[in-house]
Amino acid sequence: ELKVEQNPLFLSMQEGKNYTIYCNYSTTSDRLYWYRQDPGKSLESLFVLLSNGAVKQEGRLMASLDTKARLSTLHITAAVHDLSATYFCAVDHAGNMLTFGGGTRLMVKP
Amino acid sequence: DGGITQSPKYLFRKEGQNVTLSCEQNLNHDAMYWYRQDPGQGLRLIYYSQIVNDFQKGDIAEGYSVSREKKESFPLTVTSAQKNPTAFYLCASSTYRGARNSPLHFGNGTRLTVT
Repeated sequence: ELKVEQNPLFLSMQEGKNYTIYCNYSTTSDRLYWYRQDPGKSLESLFVLLSNGAVKQEGRLMASLDTKARLSTLHITAAVHDLSATYFCAVDHAGNMLTFGGGTRLMVKP
Repeated sequence: DGGITQSPKYLFRKEGQNVTLSCEQNLNHDAMYWYRQDPGQGLRLIYYSQIVNDFQKGDIAEGYSVSREKKESFPLTVTSAQKNPTAFYLCASSTYRGARNSPLHFGNGTRLTVT
């Protein structure tokens, strides 16, 4: 059974600081997604990572995938309040069958 | 604009009643999914369908039922057998599994409260 673990579960940080969210998974996969969810809202796709060593960047967010280590990271650079949300990683293990991590709730304080 | 429409946004039901959540997509996607989200937790897969008239159980299918009579529609029924139905339900769709760079597209969700 595929297990996906994110850490930390909760992250409170000051604006302007950098931080990394980690996503570990238990079985082989070369497809991983990052989503953002605002309170009470749906999930918005952020990144699709399709191969070992893949790196994607959008604004202050950068995601990477190491399939050998079964690890993905979401790095936040110079955080701003608008990045406050819950971030989920999801691992594809059977062709669009996603298993989600428990989420990382990010709060960026002014 | 293409997208996924879930209705209603909020739903209140008495214990023991069946309730059906609607999900419609106009993205021409082959696959559709139902996920459940509990407060402070990740998403868990209830059912999925990759083609019309076919669907499979996910990780937590007990107490739920679905149908896929049309490509664009995938309604979810929460039956009285579901022991803890209060949750946020999200419908999603995607292109056929061969499209590796296609993420799931999610609807805006239905928040079900059963008392």
